[in-house]
Amino acid sequence: AQTVTQSQPEMSVQEAETVTLSCTYDTSESDYYLFWYKQPPSRQMILVIRQEAYKQQNATENRFSVNFQKAAKSFSLKISDSQLGDAAMYFCAYRSAWGKLIFGQGTELSVKP
Amino acid sequence: DTAVSQTPKYLVTQMGNDKSIKCEQNLGHDTMYWYKQDSKKFLKIMFSYNNKELIINETVPNRFSPKSPDKAHLNLHINSLELGDSAVYFCASSQGRLAGGEFFGPGTRLTVL
Repeated sequence: AQTVTQSQPEMSVQEAETVTLSCTYDTSESDYYLFWYKQPPSRQMILVIRQEAYKQQNATENRFSVNFQKAAKSFSLKISDSQLGDAAMYFCAYRSAWGKLIFGQGTELSVKP
Repeated sequence: DTAVSQTPKYLVTQMGNDKSIKCEQNLGHDTMYWYKQDSKKFLKIMFSYNNKELIINETVPNRFSPKSPDKAHLNLHINSLELGDSAVYFCASSQGRLAGGEFFGPGTRLTVL
């Protein structure tokens, strides 16, 4: 069975600095999709970025980028120029081509002004 | 606005009662989901429907019964509520089950007293 692990329950970053959130996963499949979701205090789940496993190029969305290391089964999220509004719980998630979305335990990110 | 909506947003009820949560999406998606987020913020899929057909049914007590009257609606009915059912329930939708990632509703916080 696939698993997703986020080993950092909490992280902190200074405003305008860069922070990286870690995620590893376990699978025997070759074709799958990876996601990062953000959940602010409002509890709304917001899709931040996605990556298809067959693509070698790392996905980027404005200040958010990923470091996808397929062989190492690692999918970290980098947030550049951190803003106060980035403070939230961040979830890494995995889905096989025809399977369910499996979430990690989450990383609570705080941003210091 | 195009979105996934859920009603109600908050639900407080007594043990043993029966309650329903309604979900509607106007994104034109063909797949809808119910997720449960527990007190430790762990997210887990409960059910998934594709074009009104049940395709994922996780190990969920049969007191939980989803119903999809059409592609745009997925309701969740819970019988004989128990204290352990207290959680946030998210409805979500996606186009297909592949790379898109789910769009989530605002969640329903269910508290069983």
